[in-house]
Amino acid sequence: AQSVTQLGSHVSVSEGALVLLRCNYSSSVPPYLFWYVQYPNQGLQLLLKYTTGATLVKGINGFEAEFKKSETSFHLTKPSAHMSDAAEYFCAVLISGSARQLTFGSGTQLTVLP
Amino acid sequence: DSGVTQTPKHLITATGQRVTLRCSPRSGDLSVYWYQQSLDQGLQFLIQYYNGEERAKGNILERFSAQQFPDLHSELNLSSLELGDSALYFCASSAAGEQGIISGYTFGSGTRLTVV
Repeated sequence: AQSVTQLGSHVSVSEGALVLLRCNYSSSVPPYLFWYVQYPNQGLQLLLKYTTGATLVKGINGFEAEFKKSETSFHLTKPSAHMSDAAEYFCAVLISGSARQLTFGSGTQLTVLP
Repeated sequence: DSGVTQTPKHLITATGQRVTLRCSPRSGDLSVYWYQQSLDQGLQFLIQYYNGEERAKGNILERFSAQQFPDLHSELNLSSLELGDSALYFCASSAAGEQGIISGYTFGSGTRLTVV
């Protein structure tokens, strides 16, 4: 079964510091990978996704993620954190041909300190 | 506004009661997904409908049921409610097929259910 693991349920960074949120997946075939963000009292919003092609994908709000097949990882980064980045971030996976819905990780709560 | 509408936004009810949560998908989307989000279980997939038919079931309790109507709106029915059913219930929609999922889900803002 496909699964996705997010390391670290809570991450705190200072404003202006690098943001790194970790996501590892398990799959024997190349998956489709997604990052979603959830702001307080809102639904999830798509940040970025990897389907095929370039392994470094850029998303909204300055975030990017790199698909590394050898490490089965899809970590989310942003060079400089902003206060408005404080939210919960979810990694999700879809295995082509075998699943009809996204499987989400447990989420990482990002706190940005002034 | 994401285009996915969920009502009501908040619901408080007593144990043993039954409630219905409603979702209108984004215009043109045929697939509807229901998820439950709680502190201890995270985001759990409950059930998916596609163009009126059930397509996939996840961790949905027997006390819960759902349906999708001809106008594509969906309802999630929760009965014999227990304290542990208190959670955020999200509806998401996508266009048809795998390409629709790859394009990304559109989530509603959720219904917060509190069982007292």
